[in-house]
Amino acid sequence: DGGITQSPKYLFRKEGQNVTLSCEQNLNHDAMYWYRQDPGQGLRLIYYSQIVNDFQKGDIAEGYSVSREKKESFPLTVTSAQKNPTAFYLCASTPDGNTEAFFGQGTRLTVV
Amino acid sequence: AQKVTQAQTEISVVEKEDVTLDCVYETRDTTYYLFWYKQPPSGELVFLIRRNSFDEQNEISGRYSWNFQKSTSSFNFTITASQVVDSAVYFCALSELTDSWGKLQFGAGTQVVVTP
Repeated sequence: DGGITQSPKYLFRKEGQNVTLSCEQNLNHDAMYWYRQDPGQGLRLIYYSQIVNDFQKGDIAEGYSVSREKKESFPLTVTSAQKNPTAFYLCASTPDGNTEAFFGQGTRLTVV
Repeated sequence: AQKVTQAQTEISVVEKEDVTLDCVYETRDTTYYLFWYKQPPSGELVFLIRRNSFDEQNEISGRYSWNFQKSTSSFNFTITASQVVDSAVYFCALSELTDSWGKLQFGAGTQVVVTP
């Protein structure tokens, strides 16, 4: 079945650590996105990528980094510079940017 | 500035009641897309509908219906004869053509609670 797979589902990070969230899609979509969701708020865009080896900052990119070495993969690293990383992270993809986005099941990150 | 406003934080209804979720958006683009997504407790966002700015025709899909009015910049969503399975958070989102490639701007969401 085609879709987006995010892993892990739950992730715990100690203060000062970098952690990487995985996002893989087999939909052959060009564009991929990372969103952050905090309680009571909508999703906010962290980074997005239109093609391989290219990506752009979204509204809240500080403290995050990404790579897009393969069309299928768009991992997100939450660095120690991110002051408040505890949140729910959602990865999404679209074929051309004008159709609906497909979302993964999300990763819940908690700082301990 | 908030471009998508969902003023209702939570709506609680008894099963079989109708529920209408409000969405007001703001954009200077003439071409844009509006979306509704459902987020059940599992967390994944489920796509419900997409409308482009040139298509104001209202739409009905089963128990769901949408009312798009450009004059008031609103894209409201109604669930008819609600069921317990409709309990979820519903998000309205905007994608602007000039800032495109699918970047979505979301409202804060409306929690719908349907009790038996």
